Amino acid sequence: DQQVKQNSPSLSVQEGRISILNCDYTNSMFDYFLWYKKYPAEGPTFLISISSIKDKNEDGRFTVFLNKSAKHLSLHIVPSQPGDSAVYFCAASRRGGADGLTFGKGTHLIIQP
Amino acid sequence: GAGVSQSPSNKVTEKGKDVELRCDPISGHTALYWYRQSLGQGLEFLIYFQGNSAPDKSGLPSDRFSAERTGGSVSTLTIQRTQQEDSAVYLCASSLGGPNNQPQHFGDGTRLSIL
Repeated sequence: DQQVKQNSPSLSVQEGRISILNCDYTNSMFDYFLWYKKYPAEGPTFLISISSIKDKNEDGRFTVFLNKSAKHLSLHIVPSQPGDSAVYFCAASRRGGADGLTFGKGTHLIIQP
Repeated sequence: GAGVSQSPSNKVTEKGKDVELRCDPISGHTALYWYRQSLGQGLEFLIYFQGNSAPDKSGLPSDRFSAERTGGSVSTLTIQRTQQEDSAVYLCASSLGGPNNQPQHFGDGTRLSIL
């Protein structure tokens, strides 16, 4: 049973436009959420995180939104750049947990010139 | 370097052999994690160390898998009597604190291929 779901395996966006990546979760005990970016043959790189006490966190071109009632989070990238082309993973951890992060299966973002 | 370092970067071995994977976390990070990513799958959590102790080993796929961390720094993941289904990329991560409020920083992984 997947507790973190990224329902879009891939997403194509034109350079300069906004990229919106979505993530849903089922475990109400999750209280810390993260987005990672991954290039081929490299480890995931941390992008941005959000605690469940917030509904928005912004860092430069990246903004994460959290809707706890809908158990949904999204990552907005604006403006999208060619170097943003990568696989993006949503991840979550639960309050008091000692079991690391639970990851979604990723969304491959392709930025078209 | 300042990041998480893993070795070897690639390992090819025959079914039935034992393998040992190594992880050097970021200096000062007390928490260390092992994950694996099989082909076409997301990252699967294996084990977490806070200092030298692992609070929960239930994420390890079988009793052929073991991990240790000594001196609060370097960790090794050992797979005994490897099977073909063990083929995956094994990723190590570290964080300043526990998993609930600190981002984990990943190494580039060890790509393990079992023939």
